[in-house]
Formats: sequence, structure tokens, C-alpha cells
Amino acid sequence: GQNIDQPTEMTATEGAIVQINCTYQTSGFNGLFWYQQHAGEAPTFLSYNVLDGLEEKGRFSSFLSRSKGYSYLLLKELQMKDSASYLCAVLDSNYQLIWGAGTKLIIKP
Amino acid sequence: SQTIHQWPATLVQPVGSPLSLECTVEGTSNPNLYWYRQAAGRGLQLLFYSVGIGQISSEVPQNLSASRPQDRQFILSSKKLLLSDSGFYLCAWSVADWNTGELFFGEGSRLTVL
Repeated sequence: GQNIDQPTEMTATEGAIVQINCTYQTSGFNGLFWYQQHAGEAPTFLSYNVLDGLEEKGRFSSFLSRSKGYSYLLLKELQMKDSASYLCAVLDSNYQLIWGAGTKLIIKP
Repeated sequence: SQTIHQWPATLVQPVGSPLSLECTVEGTSNPNLYWYRQAAGRGLQLLFYSVGIGQISSEVPQNLSASRPQDRQFILSSKKLLLSDSGFYLCAWSVADWNTGELFFGEGSRLTVL
């Protein structure tokens, strides 16, 4: 079966750095996505990785290792507004998105 | 610019009643359209997707159905709601090819079946 694993919840301090990991086992791979979802709202796109390596976009970076089936989202200079759930999703060989359950990130002052 | 809108945002329905959630997209043509359900603590579950008018693919057998009467309109329906239909429903669209694979979501509709 297809599986996406990410921690259920993480806590970090305002101004710090946090890394949210995602491991996947899917039938084929056509890219990995990270979405941010604030409570009660729709997910919004953060990043897309299809090749190995690090993609940096402002305070957020996303890393991919296809051989390890592994990705992480790195958030720097954390702000209170970063409190949200972060969803990892993989596009499989049939171009279907497989979603993880999400990691709830709690930011403390 | 492209926009997506779904409604209603919140609804409380009794068991056995019908359901209709609507979604419209503006600013793009021939989008792929999706209906997802999100249960607490679980990943997004794809319910239906459509690549064109009248073309509906169902991912999970259930009490729900979908229709696409126009290019940019997607409707989720049920004739008789079950308690298990409660959840957060999300409509989404993407471009027809998967070069980026980005999904754009509507605001969501929270359904409570009592």
C-alpha cells in the first residue's frame, strides 16, 4: 500500500528553527508537495520538489531524497503566524496525490 | 487571476437529508476539479475528480456523488446523509497537465450530520 508518514505534532519557540520530516512509500514518484493549513481553513501551497536537493523560498526550505523516500520542510525565524498544520503529499505514478495526515506545529512565545 | 469558491461554508443536516455542495472556478479553462474530505487527524481523502464536463471518476465507494454540469462548476451531492458523512469538504482545481501539480483549494465546507 501507499503510505506517507509525518509526526502528528511538534512544538517550537518563536524565532527558532524547526524541521518537519516526511517519509513516503508510494507506487512511483512524480513529485512531493508541502502545504500549509491553518485551523479551519483550506490548505495553501508551499513547495514542490521533484529532484533531489534543497529548494529555498524565503524563510521556508524543502529538501528531497528520492533514494531514501524522505523529505523535510525547514522553517526559519519562526513567527506566531506559522502555527498551522503542514501537509506532505506525493504525486504517484498515476498522477494521484497521496496525502499525509499532517503535522500540527505549535509556536510558543 | 484564478479564483475558486465553494459554498455553503458551514451546514448542519439531519441524518437522511439530502446534500448539495457547490464549487465554481473563475479565470481558467478546462481545469481538473476535485472533491476531498478531511477527517480530524487524517490525510485528505480524494472523493471525486473530473477532467472535463460530464467526466467524473470516483475514488471511494460511498454515499456521495458528483457532477460537472459546466466546465468550471463541480457539485457534490447526496440523497441521504449518514452520520459518517460529517467532515470538512474541500473543492480544488489544478491545471490540466501536472507540470507543477499545484492544487488550489476552495475555502472548505464543514458538514455536521446529526
